[in-house]
Amino acid sequence: AQRVTQPEKLLSVFKGAPVELKCNYSYSGSPELFWYVQYSRQRLQLLLRHISRESIKGFTADLNKGETSFHLKKPFAQEEDSAMYYCALRAGGSEKLVFGKGTKLTVNP
Amino acid sequence: EAGVVQSPRYKIIEKKQPVAFWCNPISGHNTLYWYLQNLGQGPELLIRYENEEAVDDSQLPKDRFSAERLKGVDSTLKIQPAELGDSAVYLCASSMIAGGHNEQFFGPGTRLTVL
Repeated sequence: AQRVTQPEKLLSVFKGAPVELKCNYSYSGSPELFWYVQYSRQRLQLLLRHISRESIKGFTADLNKGETSFHLKKPFAQEEDSAMYYCALRAGGSEKLVFGKGTKLTVNP
Repeated sequence: EAGVVQSPRYKIIEKKQPVAFWCNPISGHNTLYWYLQNLGQGPELLIRYENEEAVDDSQLPKDRFSAERLKGVDSTLKIQPAELGDSAVYLCASSMIAGGHNEQFFGPGTRLTVL
């Protein structure tokens, strides 16, 4: 069975500090990993996907198959980064997304 | 582009009453998803349509939930009768599965409260 674990329900940092949102997954095959973000009063939207290997809004995430992790990182957090972040997994050959429970990031001034 | 449209945005009903949610996907998107999001949880897939065919409804509680996408565009999700535990946000998403770029675009959701 596929499972996504986000161990931190809440994460609070100060503006300018580095931030790392943890995501671990359980899947025996080759997964596709995503980070989705939901800003206050907005809809859920894709932030980045591991196959793109790009930086979006200063965020990066590297798939570590050995540790089955896909942590989201940003070197200098901004107040506008405050949001709910969800890690999601898609199994190879499937269109089904399996989401973690989410981490609420608060960036304090 | 309005994105995925859902209505109503909020619905309050008493238990045992029926309720229906409507979703209009992004134009041209052939795949439509209904997700359930309980408080403090991530979205969980209820059903996925490719055009008008339900290709994954394994997580849909079929004793009380039903869905349809008759013309392969709009979709309706129904609960009859609603139970207290059905209080949640119901999300609709759509995507265009082509060439591996199948990003799911989400609607604003319908927040259901069952009293």
